[in-house]
Amino acid sequence: AQSVSQHNHHVILSEAASLELGCNYSYGGTVNLFWYVQYPGQHLQLLLKYFSGDPLVKGIKGFEAEFIKSKFSFNLRKPSVQWSDTAEYFCAVNANNQGGKLIFGQGTELSVKP
Amino acid sequence: DVKVTQSSRYLVKRTGEKVFLECVQDMDHENMFWYRQDPGLGLRLIYFSYDVKMKEKGDIPEGYSVSREKKERFSLILESASTNQTSMYLCASSFWGVEANQPQHFGDGTRLSIL
Repeated sequence: AQSVSQHNHHVILSEAASLELGCNYSYGGTVNLFWYVQYPGQHLQLLLKYFSGDPLVKGIKGFEAEFIKSKFSFNLRKPSVQWSDTAEYFCAVNANNQGGKLIFGQGTELSVKP
Repeated sequence: DVKVTQSSRYLVKRTGEKVFLECVQDMDHENMFWYRQDPGLGLRLIYFSYDVKMKEKGDIPEGYSVSREKKERFSLILESASTNQTSMYLCASSFWGVEANQPQHFGDGTRLSIL
């Protein structure tokens, strides 16, 4: 069965620190990849997505992610975090033969200290 | 802007009750989804629907059913609520795409407590 694994359950950083959140998936075919963010008290919203082409994708608020097919990974990065980035981050994978279904990782809670 | 509206933010019910959670989207999306979100487990798919009157089981359908009588509305039903169904429930919708790469749009969630 397909699965998505986020290695870090809770990450605590100081403002201006660099961020990298890991995401690995298990599926050998063509995939679409997503990162969603859930700010405290708000609904999940799309941060960025990868469908094809350049494996380095840029999203909103200075986030980017790199798809490394050989490693089945789609790690999220940001060079310098802000207090307002405090949120829970979810990686999700959709396989092209699975319709619109998404498989989500367990989530990573990011706390940024001012 | 896409709007996915869930009928309640907070709901408290008793064991054995039949519970209805409602979700409405205003973007004419074909796909609609129900998830539950639990700490450390992420989002798990309960049921989804590609069209009116169509439904497919997700990863954890036991104890739940759904109804989609109109395109914009997708209801989740707990037939006989149990305490292990206490959770945050999220509804989402998306366009149907040939390559299934359409992002999902989420509602604010319903925090359901079963006593």
